[in-house]
Amino acid sequence: DTGVSQDPRHKITKRGQNVTFRCDPISEHNRLYWYRQTLGQGPEFLTYFQNEAQLEKSRLLSDRFSAERPKGSFSTLEIQRTEQGDSAMYLCASSHPQGESPLHFGNGTRLTVT
Amino acid sequence: DAKTTQPNSMESNEEEPVHLPCNHSTISGTDYIHWYRQLPSQGPEYVIHGLTSNVNNRMASLAIAEDRKSSTLILHRATLRDAAVYYCILGTSNSGYALNFGKGTSLLVTP
Repeated sequence: DTGVSQDPRHKITKRGQNVTFRCDPISEHNRLYWYRQTLGQGPEFLTYFQNEAQLEKSRLLSDRFSAERPKGSFSTLEIQRTEQGDSAMYLCASSHPQGESPLHFGNGTRLTVT
Repeated sequence: DAKTTQPNSMESNEEEPVHLPCNHSTISGTDYIHWYRQLPSQGPEYVIHGLTSNVNNRMASLAIAEDRKSSTLILHRATLRDAAVYYCILGTSNSGYALNFGKGTSLLVTP
């Protein structure tokens, strides 16, 4: 399967701890996105990379959140000092560089902050 | 960002066609209309997209109004596996392709 891969699938952490999620996009895709989804809501855009450059960040991405894509391949999303409100599904997507190419999503990392 | 309006939920019988409506009265000339769906416990899945002309693919058809202020996603024969939340989203390369999903329409398919 050459789809978007996310790790871990589930993460339970205590409030105040740091967590890091990894996303491996489809290999020929140079665009990579992070979204967050809470129960009953649609996915909310967090940030977007083209190759290693982070080109857009949502105001939802507070200073406790940081995303990297160091070599333009996999990406990591780190949340520092987690809060209960950070509990959500974190989704990664990638897309081909040409035109209005569709986004291919992974199945997400479900974060629970206790 | 231009917004879309969709019904919260719809119901269909298996093997019948389903027409999922979407209003987007503030659409701009460069906005594409994208449809994604999300099955339980999975990430969203691309369905179809278009700009002005109607579009067909193996999953669905997209009918776009002449004034582009509304569109309809058509599933020609609903199956139980089509039960999902369907999102209608406007997007353009000017926004870096960062699609903003709303709440979508939850489609229930009954046998």
